Amino acid sequence: GENVEQHPSTLSVQEGDSAVIKCTYSDSASNYFPWYKQELGKGPQLIIDIRSNVGEKKDQRIAVTLNKTAKHFSLHITETQPEDSAVYFCAATTNFGNEKLTFGTGTRLTIIP
Amino acid sequence: DGGITQSPKYLFRKEGQNVTLSCEQNLNHDAMYWYRQDPGQGLRLIYYSQIVNDFQKGDIAEGYSVSREKKESFPLTVTSAQKNPTAFYLCASSMIGQGHEKLFFGSGTQLSVL
Repeated sequence: GENVEQHPSTLSVQEGDSAVIKCTYSDSASNYFPWYKQELGKGPQLIIDIRSNVGEKKDQRIAVTLNKTAKHFSLHITETQPEDSAVYFCAATTNFGNEKLTFGTGTRLTIIP
Repeated sequence: DGGITQSPKYLFRKEGQNVTLSCEQNLNHDAMYWYRQDPGQGLRLIYYSQIVNDFQKGDIAEGYSVSREKKESFPLTVTSAQKNPTAFYLCASSMIGQGHEKLFFGSGTQLSVL
């Protein structure tokens, strides 16, 4: 089955700087890669996703890049703000849907004011 | 307000006891899921259901049971057979089909063993 590795497990950045979280996956058939943000005491929320036919996707201050050859994808957050502090999870799945969705182990991002 | 409601927020289980976690959604989603979250680990799928009166085991179904008698409701029972039940449990729902993979999560239930 799919295996998703996520790094780093913790990340601290100064407010206003950029943050990058990286994930690798093992199944070359995976073609959908979402990123979820989980704030303390809450359930995760989808913040951005990318499909395998696209190399990069942006939404305001966040972007995701995908390298299918190397089987890795990354989350980029620019101009970080205190409200970006949370745990971020990457995930990967094939066309078979959410029942095959494999999550990474999470990155705790702390924004230092 | 549309969304997923999980209750209770905190739950304590005694030795040998079964406990049931509630999950209700008013998003009219066909699919519902239960995930277990342990510190430092990703979310792991316990059970999922894509239609009323049908459900499938996920990766870690042992010691758990579910039912799906109504589209809106997907309760999870943690049985006494689950020897390490302490975890944060998340319920989610989604539509089905390519382009509809977005998961909507509830706020979770923290289960602890007394």
